[in-house]
This record gives sequence, structure tokens and C-alpha cells, in this order.
Amino acid sequence: DAGVIQSPRHEVTEMGQEVTLRCKPISGHDYLFWYRQTMMRGLELLIYFNNNVPIDDSGMPEDRFSAKMPNASFSTLKIQPSEPRDSAVYFCASSLAGDTEAFFGQGTRLTVV
Amino acid sequence: SQKIEQNSEALNIQEGKTATLTCNYTNYSPAYLQWYRQDPGRGPVFLLLIRENEKEKRKERLKVTFDTTLKQSLFHITASQPADSATYLCAVQAAGNKLTFGGGTRVLVKP
Repeated sequence: DAGVIQSPRHEVTEMGQEVTLRCKPISGHDYLFWYRQTMMRGLELLIYFNNNVPIDDSGMPEDRFSAKMPNASFSTLKIQPSEPRDSAVYFCASSLAGDTEAFFGQGTRLTVV
Repeated sequence: SQKIEQNSEALNIQEGKTATLTCNYTNYSPAYLQWYRQDPGRGPVFLLLIRENEKEKRKERLKVTFDTTLKQSLFHITASQPADSATYLCAVQAAGNKLTFGGGTRVLVKP
């Protein structure tokens, strides 16, 4: 397996635009996590799914953020409208089960200008 | 409120010595605790997982302890090498398998 695949690797967008980040988890993994990492706040859990169902979205900062997992092999994180304070590295991770290691993607570096 | 605290100051250590990192948590009852390594520009990479009923876990030069009474985990790198220089993150896995990370501690091993 190629691991967790995220796209794009880098995204630069203007304030107010819609941004969609994509993630393909490792095949067979039941859990999918979305994190945001900044120098100030570290690695924050935004939302996670179990078997494609959102379990906890309490980390989603605002209604501007939404995440979906339409099937076991694909998830999106959408920001609409984007703001400069959303600039960060966004990571997707998946794990086989609840008590196993999480595998992270390479991340998407988002810059909102 | 819930907190996971790691020493935010970088740990500078001489090659060959043992590095010890601390992870303290508040208002969690974790079933598992995990440690990850992160290099600049990369995603975190899993190192070790320890369960609440385990006191200690080892993997090569790495050792993790888990004290549920103190609400603390210690992470040791023995015989440290410059290649061990990275940021190390602890993660608490509580109810529902929610995986929440601490702020990380940067380790710099000097030759």
C-alpha cells in the first residue's frame, strides 16, 4: 500500500475562496483522522471517522469547516470561506482499529492570503 | 479542562547519553498512550504504543513508561544519536479511540 495519500501538497488561495483538501486512507483502515498543525497550537484534532461515520467533530473550529467521508477510500475537508488564520498544515491519518498506530499522510500546506 | 503537556523547551543532549521526555495529562482516562516522531516537513511517524495495564514497553533503544496514578508517561532514548534529532509527540487515546496529541518536545542530539 502507498500509505495515506493527501492532495494537494501545497495550496495557496485568496481569502474568501473555497478550499478542498483530499485524503485517501490506507485500504482496510476503519478510522480516519483530520488534524491541523501550527506553531502556536501544535497538532489539533479536527474530526475523526469510524467506518465512514463522523464520531467527534468537536475540534472543528467553525461552521466554515466541514468534512465528509462518502466511502471507505476517500475523505474531504472543506473550508468555505477561507481566512488567513486558516493557514496551517493539515494532516490526514488512518488506523486499522481503535488500539493501533495511526499512519499519517504527508500533509497539505495551506496558505490563505 | 483536558490537557496533554509536554516540555515545550528543546532538549539538547550529547550523543551517547539518554534523553528522557515527559508527557503529563489532565482529565483523561486513556486506554492507550502513543509516542510519535516528527521530522520537519513530514507527518508524524508512530514509535510505540503502551496500554493502561502496562507499566513499560521497549523497542530497540526506546523505552516508554505509563503511570496512570501520576497521569504521566516517560519516553527514553538510550545511547542517543544525531539521527534521533526530531520532535517527539505523545498522544492520548481515550474513549471512542479519539487520538489527541501533546505539543511535542524537540530533541537535538549533538555529536
